[in-house]
Amino acid sequence: DAGVIQSPRHEVTEMGQEVTLRCKPISGHDYLFWYRQTMMRGLELLIYFNNNVPIDDSGMPEDRFSAKMPNASFSTLKIQPSEPRDSAVYFCASRSGGRVSGGYTFGSGTRLTVV
Amino acid sequence: GESVGLHLPTLSVQEGDNSIINCAYSNSASDYFIWYKQESGKGPQFIIDIRSNMDKRQGQRVTVLLNKTVKHLSLQIAATQPGDSAVYFCAEISGSARQLTFGSGTQLTVLP
Repeated sequence: DAGVIQSPRHEVTEMGQEVTLRCKPISGHDYLFWYRQTMMRGLELLIYFNNNVPIDDSGMPEDRFSAKMPNASFSTLKIQPSEPRDSAVYFCASRSGGRVSGGYTFGSGTRLTVV
Repeated sequence: GESVGLHLPTLSVQEGDNSIINCAYSNSASDYFIWYKQESGKGPQFIIDIRSNMDKRQGQRVTVLLNKTVKHLSLQIAATQPGDSAVYFCAEISGSARQLTFGSGTQLTVLP
């Protein structure tokens, strides 16, 4: 199993540009989570999906952020327009509904730098 | 790593010594608590978990202790090795989707 796959690993973009982060969850996992990690706020949950449906997006900081999951094997997190304060590491995690604690698997993250 | 911050607690131990990392949690309704290890450039990696109805759980070289009275969680690592150097996060599980809420991390450095 290749685990949760995120792309790109690193992204540098100019302020105002659109950024799209991608995630491929583990096959068979029916929950997908997007987290953001910053120095000041640590790891924050942005949004999660269950069976491709967004369930809770209360952690999404602003309307500039949007996430989709068109099918069970792919999700995107989009920032439009991007701002320097969006610079962070964004993690995707997936989990099977049948497992609770040990079932979370995180990707390696996307380091986003907005200049 | 990416998770190190200006206010991240740090712990330095000599190789071979035992390490104790502490964490305070806030939600008394959480039913699982987990310790994660994050190495530089990687995502959080599951170490060990404990259910809220337990006080102690042991794994390979690691022990987690839960004190619900004071909402405190600790991770003990026996015979700490250089490969244990990382940032350690506690997390709690709650809510209908069993989502994770992370606590602040601790940077563990193992000295040769």
